[in-house]
Amino acid sequence: EIVLTQSPGTLSLSPGERATLSCRTSQSVSSTYLAWYQQKPGQAPRLLIHGASSRATGIPDRFSGSGSGTDFTLTISRLEPEDFAVYYCQQYGGSPRGITFGQGTRLEIK
Amino acid sequence: QVQLQESGPGLVKPSGTLSLNCAVSGGSISSGRWWGWVRQPPGKGLEWIGEIYHSGSTSYNPSLKSRVTISADKSKNQFSLNLSSVTAADTAVYYCVREDVVVMNWGQGTLVTVSS
Repeated sequence: EIVLTQSPGTLSLSPGERATLSCRTSQSVSSTYLAWYQQKPGQAPRLLIHGASSRATGIPDRFSGSGSGTDFTLTISRLEPEDFAVYYCQQYGGSPRGITFGQGTRLEIK
Repeated sequence: QVQLQESGPGLVKPSGTLSLNCAVSGGSISSGRWWGWVRQPPGKGLEWIGEIYHSGSTSYNPSLKSRVTISADKSKNQFSLNLSSVTAADTAVYYCVREDVVVMNWGQGTLVTVSS
């Protein structure tokens, strides 16, 4: 079973700053199967990035994803007030089929 | 645009069975993709429970596999979750989802509390 470890647990930044969130996997995974989600209080998560670096429909270009192997990164170039939320990385495993989430990074206003 | 709506009891007794339905609109569960369940305990992270394909094939989280059954009713365009022998640790918001490699669509979620 592949484990996803996100860091930091909490990130305190100000609007306009750059945010860098990390997701490390316990085994090498295909970039095709790595995604990022944003969740705001009381809401379901929203898909931000799929295939490690492709933005989902309607996602602003200040969100970008990168990485390969076991190290993946979500970058928010200039934080907007609405970006403060919890972010999860997610991996898909084909054998056996299944989805695994990281434990989340809380991005809070400093 | 596919929409999903969970329904079911909000309170389940310990040792009982949690049963939820997910009604799908704007698309057919027979059209492909996988349909599944994700849960989130209060204040905690996301946990994938399992999924079903329109063919009836299923895949479950190994940590829950012994207690989970996911089924589908194509005539009603809905799918269901049964989780047996529940404890307080199963208290969570349960989301039904449409997924493949990623979760593409989420229901609004329904809180299920396990308590006597």
